[in-house]
Amino acid sequence: DAKTTQPPSMDCAEGRAANLPCNHSTISGNEYVYWYRQIHSQGPQYIIHGLKNNETNEMASLIITEDRKSSTLILPHATLRDTAVYYCIVRVTGANNLFFGTGTRLTVIP
Amino acid sequence: NAGVTQTPKFQVLKTGQSMTLQCAQDMNHEYMSWYRQDPGMGLRLIHYSVGAGITDQGEVPNGYNVSRSTTEDFPLRLLSAAPSQTSVYFCASSPSTAGYGYTFGSGTRLTVV
Repeated sequence: DAKTTQPPSMDCAEGRAANLPCNHSTISGNEYVYWYRQIHSQGPQYIIHGLKNNETNEMASLIITEDRKSSTLILPHATLRDTAVYYCIVRVTGANNLFFGTGTRLTVIP
Repeated sequence: NAGVTQTPKFQVLKTGQSMTLQCAQDMNHEYMSWYRQDPGMGLRLIHYSVGAGITDQGEVPNGYNVSRSTTEDFPLRLLSAAPSQTSVYFCASSPSTAGYGYTFGSGTRLTVV
C-alpha cells in the first residue's frame, strides 16, 4: 500500500471549515483514499473514501487532486466534537488490512 | 445491530499469564482484523482474516494467536503475556466488497504487570 504524509497537528476555529491535507504521491491506480478519525481513546471511525472523484457525505467532503497525489478532507463547519486524530489511508479495493500512520491531531478551538 | 463488540473492556494480567480477547460482529462481514495501539502511536496490524477458516499475520504477530471458526467471531489469544504487550487492542470488520470502510470496536485496554 502507498504511504501517506499528514501534518502532525492543526487548529481550527469552531464553526469554520477544517481542511486536512494528505499527501500520497506514490498512490497506484487501484488504491482508494480512506479517511478515519479517532476521538480520544475510542475506536477509529470511518469518515469517507474516494478513488478519483470528489466525494461528499453527511460528515465531510473529500477533494482528490487530478493526479491523485494528494487529497483534502473538509469538515465544513467544525464543532468541538470534531477534535480528534484524523488518519488518511490508501487501500487497494478489497484489501484486508489498513496501515495507519500517526495522523493529524485536529483541535477545534471555541 | 450491535456492530463490533469487544470483551473485556479492561484487563490486568501478570507476566506469563495467557488470556483471550473476544471480538464479535453481527454484520456478516467477511474481513476481520486485530490492531494494537500504543500511547501516542497509530494502530498496528496484528492478525487478520478474510473469512471463516482463513487467517494471516500482520505487522506485529509475535506473541499472539488467532482463529476464525465462524464468520461472527475472531478471538485474539495472548500465549504468555509480557509487559511489552501492554496496549489498547482494537478489533475491526469490513465487507469484502469495494466501497465500505472498516467498523471498529471500542477497544480492550490491557495492562501486563
